[in-house]
Amino acid sequence: GEKVEQHESTLSVREGDSAVINCTYTDTASSYFPWYKQEAGKSLHFVIDIRSNVDRKQSQRLIVLLDKKAKRFSLHITATQPEDSAIYFCAASKNAGAKLTFGGGTRLTVRP
Amino acid sequence: EAAVTQSPRNKVAVTGGKVTLSCNQTNNHNNMYWYRQDTGHGLRLIHYSYGAGSTEKGDIPDGYKASRPSQENFSLILELATPSQTSVYFCASGGRDRGLEQYFGPGTRLTVL
Repeated sequence: GEKVEQHESTLSVREGDSAVINCTYTDTASSYFPWYKQEAGKSLHFVIDIRSNVDRKQSQRLIVLLDKKAKRFSLHITATQPEDSAIYFCAASKNAGAKLTFGGGTRLTVRP
Repeated sequence: EAAVTQSPRNKVAVTGGKVTLSCNQTNNHNNMYWYRQDTGHGLRLIHYSYGAGSTEKGDIPDGYKASRPSQENFSLILELATPSQTSVYFCASGGRDRGLEQYFGPGTRLTVL
């Protein structure tokens, strides 16, 4: 089955700098790649996604890049703020049932 | 606002006991999911459902059963709980459309002694 690997388990950046979290997947049939955020002690919520028909998507300070050849996608957070500190999960799915396979999570810390 | 609730929020069980985790959603979503979250493993899918009366095995179904008696409710059942099932369990709901985001409940922290 699909495997999603999240390369950075922890990431620390200075406030105002950019943060990049990288994920790779194994199943070439995967076509939908969402990102979820989990703040300390809370549940997960959706932040942004990208579908395989595009290679870049931006929503305010969040940018997602997709490289289908390399089976790699990444989340870029620009101008980081303290409230960006959280665990970020990437995921992948391939069918209309939206069954997701998650990566292991990246704990992002934004230092003042 | 999409709403997924879980009960109980915390549970301590004994090895060999039966545990039922409940999930309710008011989103009118067809799909519901049960995940467990463990450090280093992210979220792993246990069971999911496409609608009332349906349950499907996820990636780690062993030791778990699921029940979807209605559109709104989805339960996860541990017939014989083991310490390895100590974890945080999340329920989520999502629409049928391709790639529609999932809405997560607050989680249940289960400790099996």
